[in-house]
Amino acid sequence: DVKVTQSSRYLVKRTGEKVFLECVQDMDHENMFWYRQDPGLGLRLIYFSYDVKMKEKGDIPEGYSVSREKKERFSLILESASTNQTSMYLCASSLIPYNSPLHFGNGTRLTVT
Amino acid sequence: DQQVKQNSPSLSVQEGRISILNCDYTNSMFDYFLWYKKYPAEGPTFLISISSIKDKNEDGRFTVFLNKSAKHLSLHIVPSQPGDSAVYFCAAPLTGNQFYFGTGTSLTVIP
Repeated sequence: DVKVTQSSRYLVKRTGEKVFLECVQDMDHENMFWYRQDPGLGLRLIYFSYDVKMKEKGDIPEGYSVSREKKERFSLILESASTNQTSMYLCASSLIPYNSPLHFGNGTRLTVT
Repeated sequence: DQQVKQNSPSLSVQEGRISILNCDYTNSMFDYFLWYKKYPAEGPTFLISISSIKDKNEDGRFTVFLNKSAKHLSLHIVPSQPGDSAVYFCAAPLTGNQFYFGTGTSLTVIP
């Protein structure tokens, strides 16, 4: 089974802090994604990466950046956390074919105060 | 603009009965659809998918129906069980691995 591991289940950070969310997958998947889930809005794509050092903006990249230095690891960075970034953050990975199912981690519940 | 829509935020069904979750889409380029199930405090898990060359796909208690002319798909769960209580998302990918998700339907199965 594919395992996608997010380093933290719950995080509480202060406004203005730099926040790192880490994600590791163990199935040699080429594609990795960061989504956020908010009530009534579903899952919205922040960034995705289809190869090491490659990244593409999703629908809501503002206020975020990403890093993919190794194939198995994809990091989401909040440069200066704000209260409107309080959310559930979900990392996912998949194989190359565009219709390959996404495999999600358990999520990180981030609260910015 | 929401390209994949789930217009029912919630649904309650008696145990043993059929649950029907609906999803509509606007982009005629979608040719593959997936359903995900999400429990609280867990990530979504893949449930079932369907290609646009089919109009039905079945996996145990779960069946997905696709009506391309209406741009509509539905997930049927028969019989419904309390463990099916979760949020269900429909999703559709485009080339470039951009997945579009609906806003989810929270299913409650009442024992």
